[in-house]
Amino acid sequence: QKEVEQDPGPLSVPEGAIVSLNCTYSNSAFQYFMWYRQYSRKGPELLMYTYSSGNKEDGRFTAQVDKSSKYISLFIRDSQPSDSATYLCASPHNAGNMLTFGGGTRLMVKP
Amino acid sequence: DAGVTQSPTHLIKTRGQQVTLRCSPKSGHDTVSWYQQALGQGPQFIFQYYEEEERQRGNFPDRFSGHQFPNYSSELNVNALLLGDSALYLCASSPGPTSQFFGPGTRLTVL
Repeated sequence: QKEVEQDPGPLSVPEGAIVSLNCTYSNSAFQYFMWYRQYSRKGPELLMYTYSSGNKEDGRFTAQVDKSSKYISLFIRDSQPSDSATYLCASPHNAGNMLTFGGGTRLMVKP
Repeated sequence: DAGVTQSPTHLIKTRGQQVTLRCSPKSGHDTVSWYQQALGQGPQFIFQYYEEEERQRGNFPDRFSGHQFPNYSSELNVNALLLGDSALYLCASSPGPTSQFFGPGTRLTVL
C-alpha cells in the first residue's frame, strides 16, 4: 500500500465549477500536508501547506485536513481553464524534509 | 530571485552511459533534494543534501549518487543507465521542513 494515494483522474469540469481533489494517507506520523500544482512538462509549484486538522483558505483554494480519517482535500472555487494541471498532495516525513507524494490527479477545466 | 534552476533541460543517453544533472537552489536555501518523476506518476525521493553531506536517501540503488558544493548547488550522477531511468529529474530546495520549491526539471531519455 502506498503511503499517499490519489485518484489519477482525469477529472473534467466546466469553467466556473467547484473542484474537489482528494488524497488519503496511511502513515500516522505525517503532520504537514502540501498541495502542489504541476503543469505539463514543468516542475511542481507549491500551492498550499497545512499543519493541523481543519480548513485553510487562500484565494480560490481551500485545503482541508481530517487527521482522524487520514483524508486531505483541496477545493478550487470558480475553476478556470488555467487551473488545468496535475495536482499532487505530499507530506514530509517527520525525520526530515523527504516528501512522499501521491500519484497526482489530472484536472481539466473546459471553457 | 531566479528560483531553483536546473540544467540541462533535456538529455538523451544510451544504456550503460553515465549522466550528471545540475541544480542551483533558490537564494537563501541550504538544503537540496532530488526526485525522480516517471511519466504519469508522482515524484519519488532520491536523496537530500545539507551542509555538503547526504542527509537522507530514498529507495534508489547506489548507481544514483550526488554532491553538494559550498555554494549549496548540487549534482545528481547516475551510472550504468537503464531504460527505466528515463524520467523527469526534479531538484527542490528548502529553508526548512514546511515547504520545498522545485525547479523545472531535467527530462532524461535513455535509449
